[in-house]
Amino acid sequence: GAVVSQHPSRVICKSGTSVKIECRSLDFQATTMFWYRQFPKQSLMLMATSNEGSKATYEQGVEKDKFLINHASLTLSTLTVTSAHPEDSSFYICSAHRDRTPLSNQPQHFGDGTRLSIL
Amino acid sequence: EDQVTQSPEALRLQEGESSSLNCSYTVSGLRGLFWYRQDPGKGPEFLFTLYSAGEEKEKERLKATLTKKESFLHITAPKPEDSATYLCAVQARDTGNQFYFGTGTSLTVIP
Repeated sequence: GAVVSQHPSRVICKSGTSVKIECRSLDFQATTMFWYRQFPKQSLMLMATSNEGSKATYEQGVEKDKFLINHASLTLSTLTVTSAHPEDSSFYICSAHRDRTPLSNQPQHFGDGTRLSIL
Repeated sequence: EDQVTQSPEALRLQEGESSSLNCSYTVSGLRGLFWYRQDPGKGPEFLFTLYSAGEEKEKERLKATLTKKESFLHITAPKPEDSATYLCAVQARDTGNQFYFGTGTSLTVIP
């Protein structure tokens, strides 16, 4: 069964709205979660690594003020797309490792993604 | 620069027609290679992890193999329900927990 839950699955909203996406690990604690963005027929692009209790690490080219990440507990990370515009429309997916070792070589488990459409 | 390339981009098979998907990688020290299946509008579903050359993993009609430069996902006698996009990801020794994903192979199995 699913080990990572992502909510909502779909959001349609007007330009200028801020949108919050939640990612929960269901039966394990995740000190690190990852946020990806996926365009149609393209691969997953890592946006940022979410670290529990500390600031997120953003990949080059990702605006940290645009994509706010909060990892307040060991089971929840949130991504807020602030003042969203049509170019922010995409499929956003989160993931987490089951184990908590700093350099895990275990698989990441993914949520079912959030389809964000900005009108 | 670490890179992952998957081929073919798309593959259409008749039901029962076996084939292989390829994932070529160049990383500075491989910590793990991961295969995922992704259905439309869903997140990737974990299939296999391979850690060293020569390793093989098998699950139902799928078998994953690994060499020092590439991995193959063999599909034996596929069924229509195997239709999905198959993604390959690698993890390198010097880039923490980051996964590098290929662009995937879109597989369609025709009844």
